[in-house]
Amino acid sequence: AQSVTQLDSQVPVFEEAPVELRCNYSSSVSVYLFWYVQYPNQGLQLLLKYLSGSTLVKGINGFEAEFNKSQTSFHLRKPSVHISDTAEYFCAVAFGGKLIFGQGTELSVKP
Amino acid sequence: EAGVTQFPSHSVIEKGQTVTLRCDPISGHDNLYWYRRVMGKEIKFLLHFVKESKQDESGMPNNRFLAERTGGTYSTLKVQPAELEDSGVYFCASSQGASGRGPLAYNEQFFGPGTRLTVL
Repeated sequence: AQSVTQLDSQVPVFEEAPVELRCNYSSSVSVYLFWYVQYPNQGLQLLLKYLSGSTLVKGINGFEAEFNKSQTSFHLRKPSVHISDTAEYFCAVAFGGKLIFGQGTELSVKP
Repeated sequence: EAGVTQFPSHSVIEKGQTVTLRCDPISGHDNLYWYRRVMGKEIKFLLHFVKESKQDESGMPNNRFLAERTGGTYSTLKVQPAELEDSGVYFCASSQGASGRGPLAYNEQFFGPGTRLTVL
């Protein structure tokens, strides 16, 4: 069965500090992996995706993620966060056309 | 190009009442999905339409939930009668083309802002 675990429910960080949001998945087949972001009072927006090819994936707003098959991980990173990055972040795996999400990580960036 | 829209943005009803949520997908998108996030939990898949047909309704919690997609355009999700545990945020998403049936089938899904349902 496919599942996604986000290891941190909340991550507080100071502005301009680096951040890593952790995601582990389990799947019986090859995977497509995604990170979505939800800003306050908005819908889910795709940050980046891994379908195949390079294991380092770059997304919008300076975020990147690395697919690690041996560790079954897809951690999201940003070298220097801004106040505007405050949002909830969701890791997901696609299976049979539908998305299976993790529990979400609230990133709170403080000045 | 307009994105996925959902109506209403918020709904507060009492236990036992009926509520209908609406989703308008991006024009031309054949695939329409409903997801739900109960407070504190993960976003869970409810069902998937391809045009007007239900492709996968494995996530529908029980027969109090009825989804329709008239003419392959907008979709409604009716909850009747609503229970306390139905409270949460209901998301709709749409994607282009035929997403296929195999495990690796996928087309990028675009999400709406969600409807926050509160059942008192």
